[in-house]
Amino acid sequence: AQSVTQLDSQVPVFEEAPVELRCNYSSSVSVYLFWYVQYPNQGLQLLLKYLSGSTLVKGINGFEAEFNKSQTSFHLRKPSVHISDTAEYFCAVSGGQGAQKLVFGQGTRLTINP
Amino acid sequence: NAGVMQNPRHLVRRRGQEARLRCSPMKGHSHVYWYRQLPEEGLKFMVYLQKENIIDESGMPKERFSAEFPKEGPSILRIQQVVRGDSAAYFCASSPLSGGNSPLHFGNGTRLTVT
Repeated sequence: AQSVTQLDSQVPVFEEAPVELRCNYSSSVSVYLFWYVQYPNQGLQLLLKYLSGSTLVKGINGFEAEFNKSQTSFHLRKPSVHISDTAEYFCAVSGGQGAQKLVFGQGTRLTINP
Repeated sequence: NAGVMQNPRHLVRRRGQEARLRCSPMKGHSHVYWYRQLPEEGLKFMVYLQKENIIDESGMPKERFSAEFPKEGPSILRIQQVVRGDSAAYFCASSPLSGGNSPLHFGNGTRLTVT
């Protein structure tokens, strides 16, 4: 069975500062990895995904993430955040072909201060 | 192309009543997933359906909860005899393909409050 751990429940940063949201996963099979963002009272929107190939994945809104198989991590980064990035961020894993469901982490609340 | 549509957005039920949550997937999507989000928690998988079939219901509570995705019409998540602990946001997601590499498209959720 897969599991996802998001190490920080809340991350406050100042506007234009860099940010990293941490995600570690466990799985006995090859995985696909995802980051989703949830704005207040809305559903989840896909930020980026790792399926195969290059371990550095670029997504929307200037976010990127790096897949590290040896450390079983998939940390999300942005070099300079904006007020509009304030949201909840979820890391998720699926277990490859034939295992369709996504398993989510607990979420990290990113708060951007002016 | 309309996204995943969920209704109602907000639903209030008294203890013991039934709650019906509806989800219309994106056009062309035949795979539907239901997730539950409790306050201050992540999303927990409930059930995965294809048209007329339940594929994986490993996250569904054994009693009072059921789901369907008929040949025609939306997917329905039904909760009978609701209790306060059922208060949560329920999200539906759809995808066009099976397989874990197909990203899910989420609706805006139904927020159920049990009084």
